[in-house]
Parts: sequence; C-alpha cells; structure tokens
Amino acid sequence: GAGVSQSPSNKVTEKGKDVELRCDPISGHTALYWYRQSLGQGLEFLIYFQGNSAPDKSGLPSDRFSAERTGGSVSTLTIQRTQQEDSAVYLCASNGRAGLTEAFFGQGTRLTVV
Amino acid sequence: AQSVAQPEDQVNVAEGNPLTVKCTYSVSGNPYLFWYVQYPNRGLQFLLKYITGDNLVKGSYGFEAEFNKSQTSFHLKKPSALVSDSALYFCAARSNDYKLSFGAGTTVTVRA
Repeated sequence: GAGVSQSPSNKVTEKGKDVELRCDPISGHTALYWYRQSLGQGLEFLIYFQGNSAPDKSGLPSDRFSAERTGGSVSTLTIQRTQQEDSAVYLCASNGRAGLTEAFFGQGTRLTVV
Repeated sequence: AQSVAQPEDQVNVAEGNPLTVKCTYSVSGNPYLFWYVQYPNRGLQFLLKYITGDNLVKGSYGFEAEFNKSQTSFHLKKPSALVSDSALYFCAARSNDYKLSFGAGTTVTVRA
C-alpha cells in the first residue's frame, strides 16, 4: 500500500484478554517501530525492528508485551492478559534502511481495556 | 544512547508572532533530525528533516528549522504563527541504522 497501515483502528477488550495489533509497513521499508501514546502525551518507544530482528526491545513495558516481524514486512504486537493501564494509542512507523528518509506513521490502533 | 529533549511542555504565542519550539539532541555519529506535528485525534505528520547540507531547512506549512552542531540543537521556527498551527510538536533524532528517538513533545497554542 501507499502508506503504513494499522489494524484494527479501534479495539475494545476486557481486562485479562489477549490482543494482537497489526502493522503493515510501506513496501521495502526495513526499519519498523512501535510506539505507545497515552491521551495527550508523548511517544513511548516500545520496540524497533531492522528486518526481522529486533535490536532494541528495551521499551516493552513488561513480559506481557511481545512483538514479531515476519518476512521483513508485517509486524504484530501482542499484549497478553491486558490491564487497564494498557489503554492507549499504539502507533507503528517505518522507514528505509538508508536512514536518510523520514519515518512514516500509521494512524494507530486505539486500545481500550475495560 | 540517543536522546532528544524538548525543554518546553507548552509554547503560547499570539497569531502573527514568531513561533519557536526548542529541541536538543544527543546522538553518536552524524545526526539525522526530524520534526513532526500531531493535530488532535490525528496521526503524526512529517514536517521537515535535516540530513546534511545547509543548516537551515525548510519544510511544510511555512516551518523551518536550524541545525546547530555546536549547541546540538534543532529548533523549529515559523516567522508568523497561525491559529491553525496549534498542535503537538515532536522532535526526533536517529543515527544511521539505529532507532528513531522522540522528544516528549511540545504543545503549541496560537491565540487569535
């Protein structure tokens, strides 16, 4: 596609359930990022992929959070046993390996844990 | 480790006045610097970037930013602010093949 696509755009889940958030980056972009943004707040870095490997996953808040990327393309962020504090907008971005290009962001997934 | 600082949580200016949003960075090697803007309930939009070359870069919507290597700064500027510039602004930095780090964001309010 022309841009970074994230799905679902909105997700309401019950506390304790698992959720999967999907990011489809721009074709050919090797770098992929996940960020979390709470209401009106800044961007909290979660994890960074270069290809299929994650050289920096230091931002994952707990072991309930995991992410993978397959085929150097689609990435899935999984949150197990969701808690109310997980409620936020999860943003995905991608950019090319050359590092000279700006990162392009998806519209995000708004996760609400009730 | 990389880091980006935006020292001001909020900037308030009157319409027609100059607008400056401050950013400093810490990146090993050559820095690649970016500014993004986020309007309410919208995703992040790219404004401008510094990769190499002229220290003054021009971007979308009349914004520009000045790269200052000695001060490790990349302040965003607009000569004459508009009410429609009211938004959340983020500075970001990376070195080649490394993660993109963001500042905490600065909320800009332009009053009529």
